[in-house]
Amino acid sequence: DQQVKQNSPSLSVQEGRISILNCDYTNSMFDYFLWYKKYPAEGPTFLISISSIKDKNEDGRFTVFLNKSAKHLSLHIVPSQPGDSAVYFCAASGYGGYQKVTFGTGTKLQVIP
Amino acid sequence: SAVISQKPSRDICQRGTSLTIQCQVDSQVTMMFWYRQQPGQSLTLIATANQGSEATYESGFVIDKFPISRPNLTFSTLTVSNMSPEDSSIYLCSVATGANTEAFFGQGTRLTVV
Repeated sequence: DQQVKQNSPSLSVQEGRISILNCDYTNSMFDYFLWYKKYPAEGPTFLISISSIKDKNEDGRFTVFLNKSAKHLSLHIVPSQPGDSAVYFCAASGYGGYQKVTFGTGTKLQVIP
Repeated sequence: SAVISQKPSRDICQRGTSLTIQCQVDSQVTMMFWYRQQPGQSLTLIATANQGSEATYESGFVIDKFPISRPNLTFSTLTVSNMSPEDSSIYLCSVATGANTEAFFGQGTRLTVV
């Protein structure tokens, strides 16, 4: 039972354009959502998060949008840069204390120069 | 933040043997986690390791197969026992430095069982 789903295994975007990575979840108990970036031969690196009380969180070129009614979140990268090419994992957990984090299967983003 | 060192970074092992993976953190942390990422799959939590208590295993993972030690607040080990080719995965150590915060990951151990 995949509670966090990233239906697009890969995405190609031209440098300078917007990258939109999507994520859906099924567990209504999830209250905290995160995006991680992973380069080959490295562990995942935290990118940005959002709690369920917000619908948007922005950090530089990265913005995460949350639509709780649709159980959907997205990561926008504007403008996209070649260094953004990596695998992006969506993750979710409950809120309060130390909660188990459930990961999606990842989307491989390629930014074409 | 936390800096996590994981050793070895990769290994090729014979089936039936065991491998112990070490995870060292540069600061004291309460919670340490071990994940597995099988080829083409998401990260799956194996167990949560608290200092001074038994690790808590997720469904599908057992202590006899994946024994974990947590002797202090900066170190943990995961052993993959009696390995088979199905155990070929990336194993990742992770820590949480506080409640309701993001988790930090080591660089992972790429295990191949032949």
